[in-house]
Amino acid sequence: GQNIDQPTEMTATEGAIVQINCTYQTSGFNGLFWYQQHAGEAPTFLSYNVLDGLEEKGRFSSFLSRSKGYSYLLLKELQMKDSASYLCAVRDSNYQLIWGAGTKLIIKP
Amino acid sequence: GAVVSQHPSWVICKSGTSVKIECRSLDFQATTMFWYRQFPKQSLMLMATSNEGSKATYEQGVEKDKFLINHASLTLSTLTVTSAHPEDSSFYICSASTGTGKTGELFFGEGSRLTVL
Repeated sequence: GQNIDQPTEMTATEGAIVQINCTYQTSGFNGLFWYQQHAGEAPTFLSYNVLDGLEEKGRFSSFLSRSKGYSYLLLKELQMKDSASYLCAVRDSNYQLIWGAGTKLIIKP
Repeated sequence: GAVVSQHPSWVICKSGTSVKIECRSLDFQATTMFWYRQFPKQSLMLMATSNEGSKATYEQGVEKDKFLINHASLTLSTLTVTSAHPEDSSFYICSASTGTGKTGELFFGEGSRLTVL
């Protein structure tokens, strides 16, 4: 079956750096997405990786290793507004999005 | 980026009634829209894929007679929860993609929180 694993919850300090990991086992691979979802709101797009390596976008970076079935989202200079759930999603060979359960990130002052 | 609007944001209804949720792509044509359900502290669950001008494709375990999906135009898809019951209370989210090209990222509506009394 298809499976995406992420930690359920993480805690970090304002101003620090945090890395959220995602491992996946899917039927084929056509890209990996990271979305941010604040409580009670719809997800918003953060990043997309389809080739191995690091994609940097401001304070957020996303890394992919297809051979390891592994990705991480790196958040730098954490702000209180970064407290949210972070969803990892993989697009399989049928272009279906398979969603992880999300990682709830708690930022402390 | 592309904008998807969902309405209503909140709806409370009595058990046994039907509720319609609209999903509109405001600045692009969406041949395919997706409907998700999300229970508290859980991930998004794809309910169905809505294709303009054709019948929706439902995921396993989703009752097509209970969750009616209509995609009458390239900018509008509707989800009707028929004969709603308290267990249908959930956060319903629609999304649309501008394509499966370079990114094929999904743009989400604001979500509709349904409470069935």
